[in-house]
Amino acid sequence: EVQLVESGGGLVQPGGSLKLSCAASGFDFSASAIHWVRQASGKGLEWVARIRSKADSYGTAYSASVKGRFTISRDDSETTAHLQMNSVKIEDTAVYFCARLRWVGGTNCFDYWGQGTLVTVSP
Amino acid sequence: IQMTQSPSSLSASVGDRVTITCRASQNINTFLNWYQLKSGKPPKLLIYGASNLQSGVPSRFSGSGSGTDFTLTITRLQPEDFATYLCQQTYSAPPFTFGPGTNVEIK
Repeated sequence: EVQLVESGGGLVQPGGSLKLSCAASGFDFSASAIHWVRQASGKGLEWVARIRSKADSYGTAYSASVKGRFTISRDDSETTAHLQMNSVKIEDTAVYFCARLRWVGGTNCFDYWGQGTLVTVSP
Repeated sequence: IQMTQSPSSLSASVGDRVTITCRASQNINTFLNWYQLKSGKPPKLLIYGASNLQSGVPSRFSGSGSGTDFTLTITRLQPEDFATYLCQQTYSAPPFTFGPGTNVEIK
């Protein structure tokens, strides 16, 4: 069974740091790209970051709103991905989900998601 | 690429047929996915590649379209279908842009 479990959320002050983790099981983690997506309260989904597999040189990408402040990484030996959040802002307050990118039939999608971890940025 | 959805919300009854539209600001071929979002739960993939039903998703859900215009149709709306539905493009990504969502409410 595919599982993604996020952890590390909590309360942090503006300008502070937080590190989120996404522990994966039930699939070939090392061959999968992992993404982070967030949802602010009452809002829709915002894509945050992605890290590709070793075969794709661990390529990373970020949304404009977090670039330069957040860093995505992965540890294939631990089947875990991380999102290091630095210089956080109040507008980073959201539930953060990790998701697996799946390629199928020449297209791709996020087929498995974790339950999410809440990050609250407040003075 | 910008994604828009219409309507932003709708009211429907159990058993109704519901159609939600998603439009991309430029051609995205069929790189369009649909997700269902419920409070307190992770997003659920419904349709990928514009028209492919994700395994385990009821057949009352269907998707169509290509290029810039897409639709999600729910035939015979069920009580568990009241939720928010979002489209997502993965053609020109990153960023993997989501639409703003359509809230399906009980009439």
